[in-house]
Amino acid sequence: DVKVTQSSRYLVKRTGEKVFLECVQDMDHENMFWYRQDPGLGLRLIYFSYDVKMKEKGDIPEGYSVSREKKERFSLILESASTNQTSMYLCASSFYPQGQAQDTQYFGPGTRLTVL
Amino acid sequence: AQSVTQLDSQVPVFEEAPVELRCNYSSSVSVYLFWYVQYPNQGLQLLLKYLSGSTLVKGINGFEAEFNKSQTSFHLRKPSVHISDTAEYFCAVSDLRNTPLVFGKGTRLSVIA
Repeated sequence: DVKVTQSSRYLVKRTGEKVFLECVQDMDHENMFWYRQDPGLGLRLIYFSYDVKMKEKGDIPEGYSVSREKKERFSLILESASTNQTSMYLCASSFYPQGQAQDTQYFGPGTRLTVL
Repeated sequence: AQSVTQLDSQVPVFEEAPVELRCNYSSSVSVYLFWYVQYPNQGLQLLLKYLSGSTLVKGINGFEAEFNKSQTSFHLRKPSVHISDTAEYFCAVSDLRNTPLVFGKGTRLSVIA
């Protein structure tokens, strides 16, 4: 079975802190994604990556950056956390090169981040 | 750009009753369609997907969905729900150009004993 793990289930940070959210997948998937999930807004794509050292902006990249130094790991970085970044963050991965449209995404359990 | 509308944000239903969760998408081109489910305190997992062929797609846990191109809909159905079906359900669409999935806002299904 595909396993996507996220470094923390719950995280509390202060405004202005630099925050790292880590995601690791164990099935040699090509593509990785970061979403945030908010009540009434569904899932919104922050960044995605189709290859190591490659990244593409999603729908809401402002205030975030990402890093993919190894194929299995995709990190989301909040350079200076703000209260409006309090949310559930979900990582996902998928197999086929270049994120082929028919591919299934496999999700981690999520990190609930609270910024005070 | 693609968009997905899930017409109901919350659907309460009694155990063993049938349920339909509605999903409409906006596209004039060919699409792939997905339903994902999120159980409490978990990530999303795939229920079913339509890529081509038969318009009736069967998924896990007794769910099925019907692709209707003329109405741009992909409604999810189950003839008899269980308490364990309580979850949030997300419809998603992707066009054939390999652009990322677009998710709907979700429908929270609550099954009442």
